[in-house]
Amino acid sequence: SAVISQKPSRDICQRGTSLTIQCQVDSQVTMMFWYRQQPGQSLTLIATANQGSEATYESGFVIDKFPISRPNLTFSTLTVSNMSPEDSSIYLCSSRQGFHGYTFGSGTRLTVV
Amino acid sequence: KQEVTQIPAALSVPEGENLVLNCSFTDSAIYNLQWFRQDPGKGLTSLLLIQSSQREQTSGRLNASLDKSSGRSTLYIAASQPGDSATYLCAVMEGNEKLTFGTGTRLTIIP
Repeated sequence: SAVISQKPSRDICQRGTSLTIQCQVDSQVTMMFWYRQQPGQSLTLIATANQGSEATYESGFVIDKFPISRPNLTFSTLTVSNMSPEDSSIYLCSSRQGFHGYTFGSGTRLTVV
Repeated sequence: KQEVTQIPAALSVPEGENLVLNCSFTDSAIYNLQWFRQDPGKGLTSLLLIQSSQREQTSGRLNASLDKSSGRSTLYIAASQPGDSATYLCAVMEGNEKLTFGTGTRLTIIP
């Protein structure tokens, strides 16, 4: 199955600033997924990113707040914009390869102060 | 809308015991179910993937079963070790390729 490198692993950011999270997959994948995990909660899907098209956002998430890029079949970024303390979470990227199921990056632990 | 529930929310057992984690889902029209473990503050590590046509999968000390018609899956861990301490998440995939995650079971193995 695919291996996903995600960075940064953690960051502490000032409110009002933006952070871009990167995910690199070691093989080509059609779809990549971005999740948020708030403290003590399970994972919630933010958006699905296909190469060459705009990302599809889930209810409650908007492109202005979480812009996503997918320039090729092995790379994607998620930006958390105009951050507030409520954005403090773990952010994870994921991809699926056929019958191997889903693989996740190591996560980005974001703290907004 | 699919809902996935895991019981218990937390579990502590002495080292060496066998244990079972439970996962239930409300809509049986799934393509597959996947079990993950998550260490504190980290990403997810895939443990087992069960296709909708399968009844169980095994990997080492882990065995996962799936009863699609009743909307249930179990993860059986044999001869538990302190290194098994983590949060265990189940997730179901539906036709839109999206995963819906359970609420997780936080497992502590007591040495």
